[in-house]
Amino acid sequence: ELKVEQNPLFLSMQEGKNYTIYCNYSTTSDRLYWYRQDPGKSLESLFVLLSNGAVKQEGRLMASLDTKARLSTLHITAAVHDLSATYFCAPSSGNTPLVFGKGTRLSVIA
Amino acid sequence: DAGVIQSPRHEVTEMGQEVTLRCKPISGHNSLFWYRQTMMRGLELLIYFNNNVPIDDSGMPEDRFSAKMPNASFSTLKIQPSEPRDSAVYFCASSLEGQLYEQYFGPGTRLTVT
Repeated sequence: ELKVEQNPLFLSMQEGKNYTIYCNYSTTSDRLYWYRQDPGKSLESLFVLLSNGAVKQEGRLMASLDTKARLSTLHITAAVHDLSATYFCAPSSGNTPLVFGKGTRLSVIA
Repeated sequence: DAGVIQSPRHEVTEMGQEVTLRCKPISGHNSLFWYRQTMMRGLELLIYFNNNVPIDDSGMPEDRFSAKMPNASFSTLKIQPSEPRDSAVYFCASSLEGQLYEQYFGPGTRLTVT
């Protein structure tokens, strides 16, 4: 059974600072997704990482995947308030459903 | 594209009543997923369909829950009878095999059982 662990679960960071969210998973997966959820809203896809060493960047967010270590990271650069949300990682293989981590609730404060 | 459509968006009902949640996947998508989200348990997969056929319903909490997908453009999740512990946000998501299997989520139905 695939298990997904995200840390930290809660993150309060100051505007302008950098931080990394970690996503570890227990079994081999050939791709990994990152989603964002704003309070009271649905989940929105951020990144799809398809191979070992894959790196994707969008604005102040950069995601990477190390399939050998079963680890993905979501790096936040120079945080701004608009990034406050909950971030989920979800590894998957083939056409199996995504298995979501518990999410990291990020709060960016002035 | 309209995206995944769910109805109702909010549902308040009394314990013991039947509740039916509805989902219309993105046109052309052939996989559909029902999730439940609570503060305590996070995001849980309840059941998923591939080409209208239920593939895995091991996440359905008990016999009070049932799901159907009579055609490619419609699915229902029914709870009968409902209980207060069923209060949660229920999401439907759809994906297209071969297109990275990326799941697109609907806006969710917030269910409150009193």
